[in-house]
Amino acid sequence: DTGVSQDPRHKITKRGQNVTFRCDPISEHNRLYWYRQTLGQGPEFLTYFQNEAQLEKSRLLSDRFSAERPKGSFSTLEIQRTEQGDSAMYLCASSVLTANTEAFFGQGTRLTVV
Amino acid sequence: GDSVTQMEGPVTLSEEAFLTINCTYTATGYPSLFWYVQYPGEGLQLLLKATKADDKGSNKGFEATYRKETTSFHLEKGSVQVSDSAVYFCALSETGANSKLTFGKGITLSVRP
Repeated sequence: DTGVSQDPRHKITKRGQNVTFRCDPISEHNRLYWYRQTLGQGPEFLTYFQNEAQLEKSRLLSDRFSAERPKGSFSTLEIQRTEQGDSAMYLCASSVLTANTEAFFGQGTRLTVV
Repeated sequence: GDSVTQMEGPVTLSEEAFLTINCTYTATGYPSLFWYVQYPGEGLQLLLKATKADDKGSNKGFEATYRKETTSFHLEKGSVQVSDSAVYFCALSETGANSKLTFGKGITLSVRP
């Protein structure tokens, strides 16, 4: 297993366009998280999946954001009608279903909205 | 809500110097505490963790002790190396259903030869 994989690594889009990011977690990891990181800040929690169920969404996740994990494996994060404030690094992490275990992070997708 | 506060950076040290990076937290419950590190061009990776009071996490010469009385989890290393240059994040996870992480802002450490 090569770890958590995210695609694309970089995305530049025009304001108002829709973008979609993909995350492939480590096999057999039930938990999947999305975080957002802006310059000079730590990652901020966006949403959490346990298998295919989305169990928690942060209030940071506006109605322009949607995430799915249709078969409990890979996940997608879509941003509709992008705004310049959406420019950030989007991180995916996965872990096994054990309390307070290590979360493994992907290298992230850097989004730039111009 | 939960929060993590890290000392302001960046920090620049000479090789073999002693390192302390301060971290304090606020939590409603009894969290687990973590230090994550991000080396240049790489993703976040766990450096060490502690799950209860007075536990000491350690890895790669780094140590941190869970101090409930001072709500702190300071990171220390006795002798830093150039290869320790990275961004260090303190984080907590509440005991609960999803184990999501709450991070501090991170601090950049540069070690010069």
